[in-house]
Amino acid sequence: DAMVIQNPRYQVTQFGKPVTLSCSQTLNHNVMYWYQQKSSQAPKLLFHYYDKDFNNEADTPDNFQSRRPNTSFCFLDIRSPGLGDAAMYLCATSRWTGNNSPLHFGNGTRLTVT
Amino acid sequence: EDKVVQSPLSLVVHEGDTVTLNCSYEVTNFRSLLWYKQEKKAPTFLFMLTSSGIEKKSGRLSSILDKKELFSILNITATQTGDSAVYLCAVGGATNKLIFGTGTLLAVQP
Repeated sequence: DAMVIQNPRYQVTQFGKPVTLSCSQTLNHNVMYWYQQKSSQAPKLLFHYYDKDFNNEADTPDNFQSRRPNTSFCFLDIRSPGLGDAAMYLCATSRWTGNNSPLHFGNGTRLTVT
Repeated sequence: EDKVVQSPLSLVVHEGDTVTLNCSYEVTNFRSLLWYKQEKKAPTFLFMLTSSGIEKKSGRLSSILDKKELFSILNITATQTGDSAVYLCAVGGATNKLIFGTGTLLAVQP
């Protein structure tokens, strides 16, 4: 059974049209992460939530926002997608933020910007 | 700057071959090294290594860490076509985030 679920699997949006990607988890993990992975590149951390505490990476563009209304759900909002934002977006969870707590990934949402 | 370098970038082998994938790192205050397998979807967790010289093993896959020389290897014996994937190495250091390498693309041919 899937434990980190991302919807949709594929998302097409138009240049500049806001889009929201969703992630839910059944693991009851404290931490939820959003990664951006472009073709043939390493996943890049955008931000994470430890419970309700939001932690943004310094180089994450303001165009990317996130919401975590409860333990189970986390959303990635892209306010004005550009062509360069086309990528796979991976949601992950971990029990703690310590580095000895492995990440559990969802299947990702592949975003296309036309 | 913290970094994780994987080699080779890509590798083509035949079923039954044994492969060794490499991961070297430069990370402040190393805490752990993780290996993930990524097929055409999200990465799946393989191993987490924190101590030098202790081999982790799961079926045909095994991994070991050398904290003195700052690297890890992932071995796959008797490869199968289902092993074809990108293998990602990630390292945790002083910050709480994982730093990923760009991965090794493994193609196993019948």
